[in-house]
Amino acid sequence: AQKVTQAQTEISVVEKEDVTLDCVYETRDTTYYLFWYKQPPSGELVFLIRRNSFDEQNEISGRYSWNFQKSTSSFNFTITASQVVDSAVYFCALSESWGNTPLVFGKGTRLSVIA
Amino acid sequence: SAVISQKPSRDICQRGTSLTIQCQVDSQVTMMFWYRQQPGQSLTLIATANQGSEATYESGFVIDKFPISRPNLTFSTLTVSNMSPEDSSIYLCSVSHGTGFINEQFFGPGTRLTVL
Repeated sequence: AQKVTQAQTEISVVEKEDVTLDCVYETRDTTYYLFWYKQPPSGELVFLIRRNSFDEQNEISGRYSWNFQKSTSSFNFTITASQVVDSAVYFCALSESWGNTPLVFGKGTRLSVIA
Repeated sequence: SAVISQKPSRDICQRGTSLTIQCQVDSQVTMMFWYRQQPGQSLTLIATANQGSEATYESGFVIDKFPISRPNLTFSTLTVSNMSPEDSSIYLCSVSHGTGFINEQFFGPGTRLTVL
């Protein structure tokens, strides 16, 4: 069965600090996808990244970076030099196989960035 | 990519009534998904809707409570029946485009439901 664990329920940081959001997943499939979404107070889900299980390269996009390690079944998300606008709930999600499959979400991590 | 719209965006309803949420996609998709997000919680899959067949419900969700229609490849509805305050949630429609190594997931803006 699939499972996504985000052990950090809430994190609070001061603006300009770096912060890492943890995500650990469980799956029996060898082919799967991992996602991160941002949900600001307005409620919509904002897609951040998708990674397939065959691509373990880390990715950087501006202040965002992701570290995918299959050996530890982790897909962690780091925000560098955090800003108040980064305040939101962040969800890690897993989709088994490829094509036309729903997502299993972690419980989310609420990030508060204080000015 | 796929652009998804949902109607209504929000509603306040009385207990015992029903609400139908519409989901419209700007392209044809095979499968559509309905999720529920209760206040302060994560997203939980309600059901998967294929065009031309009965929806497949996840454990804890039943067709009598959440009937789903999927009349064509761009549209679906979810009805929340005989509502109670526990049904107050955000309901999200989602579609998946998947061929080969590509699995893109798109979400609608959600319908924020409050049941009094």
